[in-house]
Amino acid sequence: QVHLQQWGAGLLRPSETLSLTCGVYGGSFSGYYWTWIRQPPGKGLEWIGEITHSGNTKYNPSLNSRVTMSVDTTNNRFSLTVTSVTAADTAVYYCAGSYCGGDCPSRTFDSWGQGALVAVSS
Amino acid sequence: DIQMTQSPSSVSASVGDRVTITCRASQGISSWLAWYQQKPGKVPKLLIYDASSLQSGVPSRFSGSGSGTDFTLTISSLQPEDFATYFCQQANNFPLTFGGGTKVEIK
Repeated sequence: QVHLQQWGAGLLRPSETLSLTCGVYGGSFSGYYWTWIRQPPGKGLEWIGEITHSGNTKYNPSLNSRVTMSVDTTNNRFSLTVTSVTAADTAVYYCAGSYCGGDCPSRTFDSWGQGALVAVSS
Repeated sequence: DIQMTQSPSSVSASVGDRVTITCRASQGISSWLAWYQQKPGKVPKLLIYDASSLQSGVPSRFSGSGSGTDFTLTISSLQPEDFATYFCQQANNFPLTFGGGTKVEIK
């Protein structure tokens, strides 16, 4: 497991852009699939997408083309951007890691950031 | 997308009880299933991966079983610290998806 610490703006107005970053400490940055997951207040978990250390991405089609993930291997960080936010994007956003030591057909999340509440309100 | 359906949505139980939670996938996912525990205001914690493998550090009273479309999480003897919400997650088909959660409450 690694330690994840995330930061970013917590209050946005509709149509603004959400930006979050997650720092990875104490482990192999290249050994994980880095992921963003969100949880609306009182509701379940939604997978947003993942990125590898080399920048390969997979996104949830439910967010259409509003999501972009990026990686900074120099500083062991990865980031999430969601454009044109609405109230439906209000949620606790988590960064998480799924360890991969070789061929990894599955993704399970053994390392999580502390979570960040992002509220969208006019 | 694969839909994950958990039942029950909530269960009331006493310390020492055996609790079983079910998760059903809308299509077969082999054994690519994980279970998480989440306490209020806290981060989800991985309990079980690959349907039945216990994550390091997780008490042995937790166990998972199943394959294909039907899975269960069992807590053999409920402890006070186990009152929480439990989520299943299918781990192999993108987009990855989670069940709606099962809240284990004190009877």
